[in-house]
Amino acid sequence: AQSVTQLGSHVSVSEGALVLLRCNYSSSVPPYLFWYVQYPNQGLQLLLKYTSAATLVKGINGFEAEFKKSETSFHLTKPSAHMRDAAEYFCAVSDYQAGTALIFGKGTTLSVSS
Amino acid sequence: DARVTQTPRHKVTEMGQEVTMRCQPILGHNTVFWYRQTMMQGLELLAYFRNRAPLDDSGMPKDRFSAEMPDATLATLKIQPSEPRDSAVYFCASGPGTPTYEQYFGPGTRLTVT
Repeated sequence: AQSVTQLGSHVSVSEGALVLLRCNYSSSVPPYLFWYVQYPNQGLQLLLKYTSAATLVKGINGFEAEFKKSETSFHLTKPSAHMRDAAEYFCAVSDYQAGTALIFGKGTTLSVSS
Repeated sequence: DARVTQTPRHKVTEMGQEVTMRCQPILGHNTVFWYRQTMMQGLELLAYFRNRAPLDDSGMPKDRFSAEMPDATLATLKIQPSEPRDSAVYFCASGPGTPTYEQYFGPGTRLTVT
């Protein structure tokens, strides 16, 4: 069965600093991987997805993630943090065995200070 | 801009009352999901449908929760009777299924049971 582990429940950066949110997955089949962002009092918004094409995936708001099979990782990065990036971020993997359901990580809260 | 819509956005009710939450998935999506989010448990998958047929509702308390899709444009989640521990934000999501499996979330229904 697939699973996702997000390392660090809370990450704090300064405005303009590099953002790195870590995600490791476990999957017995080639995975489809996703990053979602949740702003306060809102639903989850799809940031980007990996579906076995290019290993470096670019998403919205300047975020990107790199699929590394050897490390079973799909870390999310952004070169320069903005205050508006403060939110909760979820990594997810598709669960082939369950059809099309996604397995979500527990989330990482990103704080950005000025 | 196609979006998942959910009603009501907020619901306050007394213990023992019936609660019905509604969701309109994105037109053309054949998968619909119900999630519950709490601080303690995070995101929990309650049930999901493909082509209006329920595929998995193992995440739902069977004695009080029920989920249906009367037609392709409406999904409902009912709680009867409601209990204080059901207080949470309930999200509906829809997706195109294969080949990419991503899901698009609605804004959620914030339920408070007193």
